[in-house]
Amino acid sequence: DQQVKQNSPSLSVQEGRISILNCDYTNSMFDYFLWYKKYPAEGPTFLISISSIKDKNEDGRFTVFLNKSAKHLSLHIVPSQPGDSAVYFCAASAGGATNKLIFGTGTLLAVQP
Amino acid sequence: SAVISQKPSRDICQRGTSLTIQCQVDSQVTMMFWYRQQPGQSLTLIATANQGSEATYESGFVIDKFPISRPNLTFSTLTVSNMSPEDSSIYLCSVGGWDYGYTFGSGTRLTVV
Repeated sequence: DQQVKQNSPSLSVQEGRISILNCDYTNSMFDYFLWYKKYPAEGPTFLISISSIKDKNEDGRFTVFLNKSAKHLSLHIVPSQPGDSAVYFCAASAGGATNKLIFGTGTLLAVQP
Repeated sequence: SAVISQKPSRDICQRGTSLTIQCQVDSQVTMMFWYRQQPGQSLTLIATANQGSEATYESGFVIDKFPISRPNLTFSTLTVSNMSPEDSSIYLCSVGGWDYGYTFGSGTRLTVV
């Protein structure tokens, strides 16, 4: 039972354009969402997060949008740079006593120069 | 955010043997998490380790196969026991929570031959 899904396994974007990565979830108890970037042979690196009380959070080139009614979030990267090429994971947490993260399946982003 | 030192970074092991992975955190944390990333897959939570109590394992993971120690608030180990080629994965530890973010170790790339 995959509670967090990223339906696009890969995405290719031209340098300077916008990258939009999507994520859907099924558990309505999730109230905190995060995006991570991962290079091979490294641990995931935190990018940006959003709590369920917000619908948008922005940090530099990265913006995360949350649509609770649709159980959908997206990560926008503008402008995209070749160094952004990596696997991107969304993750969700229901907080509370466990605090554990449930990860999506990942999207491989390739930014073409 | 916390800094995690994870070792070994990689290892090649014979089937039937065991490998212990260590994570050292630069600050005291209540919960530590252990994840597995199989080739081409997402990160899957193995267990949550609290200091002073037995680890809580996710469905599909058992203590006999993945014993965890948590002797203090800055250190934890995960042992992969009686290894088979199917255990070849990246293993990662993590600390954090929804209220102060999650940090990951750099991962241990395990190959079982």
